[in-house]
Amino acid sequence: AQSVTQPDIHITVSEGASLELRCNYSYGATPYLFWYVQSPGQGLQLLLKYFSGDTLVQGIKGFEAEFKRSQSSFNLRKPSVHWSDAAEYFCAVGVEYNQGGKLIFGQGTELSVKP
Amino acid sequence: KAGVTQTPRYLIKTRGQQVTLSCSPISGHRSVSWYQQTPGQGLQFLFEYFSETQRNKGNFPGRFSGRQFSNSRSEMNVSTLELGDSALYLCASSSPRGGGETQYFGPGTRLLVL
Repeated sequence: AQSVTQPDIHITVSEGASLELRCNYSYGATPYLFWYVQSPGQGLQLLLKYFSGDTLVQGIKGFEAEFKRSQSSFNLRKPSVHWSDAAEYFCAVGVEYNQGGKLIFGQGTELSVKP
Repeated sequence: KAGVTQTPRYLIKTRGQQVTLSCSPISGHRSVSWYQQTPGQGLQFLFEYFSETQRNKGNFPGRFSGRQFSNSRSEMNVSTLELGDSALYLCASSSPRGGGETQYFGPGTRLLVL
């Protein structure tokens, strides 16, 4: 069955420190992979996506993610975290995406930023 | 270009009632998907509509239904509300090009069932 695992429920980092959020997926076909961010009371904002090609993808707000097929991972990174990055982050895989695509989401990782 | 809009933003209902939520996609987008977000179950896919046809459906009871109009606006309906239906309902629109499209989300409708 298709699934997405985000092992870390909550992460706290200091402002200016680097960040890596982990994401592992289970899907038999070539995956469409996404990272979304959600601030309290808001919808989901797309950070970046991977469909094919270069396995290192750049997104908005200085985020990047690397697709590693051998590890079934799509980890999100940022070299220097800002206080405004505090939010919940969701990794998702697009399933049956050519026939009415649906996203399977991980449980999310809540990021706190210490001053 | 305006983003995805959802109305109403907040809703309080009582058990047994029914509710209708509305979603207007980004202009030109023809696919609308609905998701339910709860603290316990996280984000779960409800269904997807494209050109007024439901193409995909998640694992929800028949009390959850939807439709899409010719202008791509979509509604979802929940009948006989249960306490467990309290959730944030998110709508997303996309512009299918045969694969790999991105879903853009609205701000959601927060439903509280008492």
